Amino acid sequence: EAEVAQSPRYKITEKSQAVAFWCDPISGHATLYWYRQILGQGPELLVQFQDESVVDDSQLPKDRFSAERLKGVDSTLKIQPAELGDSAMYLCASSLAGQGGNEQFFGPGTRLTVL
Amino acid sequence: EDQVTQSPEALRLQEGESSSLNCSYTVSGLRGLFWYRQDPGKGPEFLFTLYSAGEEKEKERLKATLTKKESFLHITAPKPEDSATYLCAVQVGSNYKLTFGKGTLLTVNP
Repeated sequence: EAEVAQSPRYKITEKSQAVAFWCDPISGHATLYWYRQILGQGPELLVQFQDESVVDDSQLPKDRFSAERLKGVDSTLKIQPAELGDSAMYLCASSLAGQGGNEQFFGPGTRLTVL
Repeated sequence: EDQVTQSPEALRLQEGESSSLNCSYTVSGLRGLFWYRQDPGKGPEFLFTLYSAGEEKEKERLKATLTKKESFLHITAPKPEDSATYLCAVQVGSNYKLTFGKGTLLTVNP
């Protein structure tokens, strides 16, 4: 069964350090999403890609966060420098949006702890 | 601003005790309403998509329904393995973005 892959699963870092998360979507899914989920809350969209282009990054804190999907397949989300308030679950999802399917399928997430 | 409110925040049931979870929404131009299940420390697992008022979908002990203002997730004769957080999300507009509620934490005791 096709799945969204994410790594690492867990990351502990100190504030002011740089961190990076990786996501490999389901094969053939042109749309990729990065969400942040704070404990006890629902996921919130950070950035959405259609192929290699950013469609929506209105909620991405651009002073410290960056995201790329250079070849339109896998993607990297970076935080530099990390702050205490960035501790959360970072979720990647993919879909066939625009290709006939609206459902988003999520990966296992990366749990970030900033000390 | 699109709003999604889920209730209750937490629900504790005995095995076999049927109940319903609510998701009320205030949006302009609903494209679809989605239900996900999330186990602790894992990513959300897709359950259902509903597109129009009156639509119903079923999967095992779960049935989702949709009206113009809210959706219900009915759980019939739940088992302990149904314990999880259930998330509701709405999709509005043309960019397929999901706006999630805070979820309902369901606990089913044996």
